[in-house]
Amino acid sequence: GAGVSQSPRYKVAKRGQDVALRCDPISGHVSLFWYQQALGQGPEFLTYFQNEAQLDKSGLPSDRFFAERPEGSVSTLKIQRTQQEDSAVYLCASSQISAGNTIYFGEGSWLTVV
Amino acid sequence: QKEVEQDPGPLSVPEGAIVSLNCTYSNSAFQYFMWYRQYSRKGPELLMYTYSSGNKEDGRFTAQVDKSSKYISLFIRDSQPSDSATYLCAMKEGGATNKLIFGTGTLLAVQP
Repeated sequence: GAGVSQSPRYKVAKRGQDVALRCDPISGHVSLFWYQQALGQGPEFLTYFQNEAQLDKSGLPSDRFFAERPEGSVSTLKIQRTQQEDSAVYLCASSQISAGNTIYFGEGSWLTVV
Repeated sequence: QKEVEQDPGPLSVPEGAIVSLNCTYSNSAFQYFMWYRQYSRKGPELLMYTYSSGNKEDGRFTAQVDKSSKYISLFIRDSQPSDSATYLCAMKEGGATNKLIFGTGTLLAVQP
């Protein structure tokens, strides 16, 4: 596709519900990132994939957060037993080469936990 | 204290003004410095990228990095209402790391 595509754009989840957020990176991009952006804050790093390998997951806030990219293209961020503090925009980004400095962001998935 | 500090604003200027946006940082290992623009309900879009210290100009935009002071700036000349957005600074260390550290963003409004 022309850009990084994320779905759903908007998700309202009841507290305790599991959610799955999908990211379709730019075709051929090796690197894929997930960031979390709370209201009024800058994005914060969650995790990084190079192809199908998850090389850095140091930013995942708890073991309720899990990300995968099984075939090195589409990625899914899963949040189990959602809590109110999980409400944020989840941004996916991709870049063409590993350690590339031009990182393209998607429009984000807006998660509200009620 | 956060690694990257940025005044959240909001900053309101008249059309045609010169805008100065700034970030300070504490991590001396940062070598790559970026500015992103984020419109409401959109993802961040890369505006400028600078390696190490120095200036870089692209049209109406100029990015400056002063590593000795741990201070970076973005200047926008002849500002337009379409420049109204949140501006995020971002930085990363050298080497193989891919993790960007963002500031909180400065909300800019350019009044026609």
